[in-house]
Amino acid sequence: NAGVTQTPKFRILKIGQSMTLQCTQDMNHNYMYWYRQDPGMGLKLIYYSVGAGITDKGEVPNGYNVSRSTTEDFPLRLELAAPSQTSVYFCASSLGTPDGYTFGSGTRLTVV
Amino acid sequence: QQPVQSPQAVILREGEDAVINCSSSKALYSVHWYRQKHGEAPVFLMILLKGGEQKGHEKISASFNEKKQQSSLYLTASQLSYSGTYFCGTARSYNTDKLIFGTGTRLQVFP
Repeated sequence: NAGVTQTPKFRILKIGQSMTLQCTQDMNHNYMYWYRQDPGMGLKLIYYSVGAGITDKGEVPNGYNVSRSTTEDFPLRLELAAPSQTSVYFCASSLGTPDGYTFGSGTRLTVV
Repeated sequence: QQPVQSPQAVILREGEDAVINCSSSKALYSVHWYRQKHGEAPVFLMILLKGGEQKGHEKISASFNEKKQQSSLYLTASQLSYSGTYFCGTARSYNTDKLIFGTGTRLQVFP
C-alpha cells in the first residue's frame, strides 16, 4: 500500500514551458485535491475532485488544469509556466469525513 | 475565506503545554488539524465535526466551539517530536470535503 505517490519530486521549468505533475493513490479514495505551498506559507487549494469524471476549481486555479479519468489518478497540468508558479505542490486524497487527508510527498517546482 | 490561527509561533520546553487556536468567519462543518515538519508533507492529527464527533490522535486533544466557529488544539506534556508547523483546515460542507487551510502556527520544543 503506497498511499499517495507524486512524480517528479523536483523540477525546474523555463518560463513559458508546460508540464504535468502526476498524482496516483492506491487507497480507492474518491476525494482528491491539489494544493500549493509557497515558502513559509499555508496551503492553497488549486483544484479538487469528488470522483472520476468530476473536478472543480479551488482558491487559486488560474494557470492550471486537471483531469480525473480514473479513481486512482489526478494529474495537474501547468500551461505556460510563470515565476509565480514556483512552489511546492501537494496532492492529497481522502475517503471523506470523518477521515483525514493523506498527502503525497510533494513536487518542488522552480520556474526560471 | 482563510481561517486565522493564533499564535503564529510558540516556543516550549519539553513537558510544557500549548494551545493553538483556529478561527473562521464562516459557518463550519468540520475542522481538521495537521502537523508539518520541515521539508515534509502535512500529517493528519485530528478531526472535529459539527455536533461534537471527534476522531484523531491519542496524545493530542482538540475542541470545536460551533457558536464561535473556533477550534483549539491542546498539546499537553510536549515532546521534542511535537515540533513542526500546525495547520487547521476548515470545511463548510461534507459533500466536497474540501479544506481551506489556516495561516499556520510554528511550534518549537526544546530539551
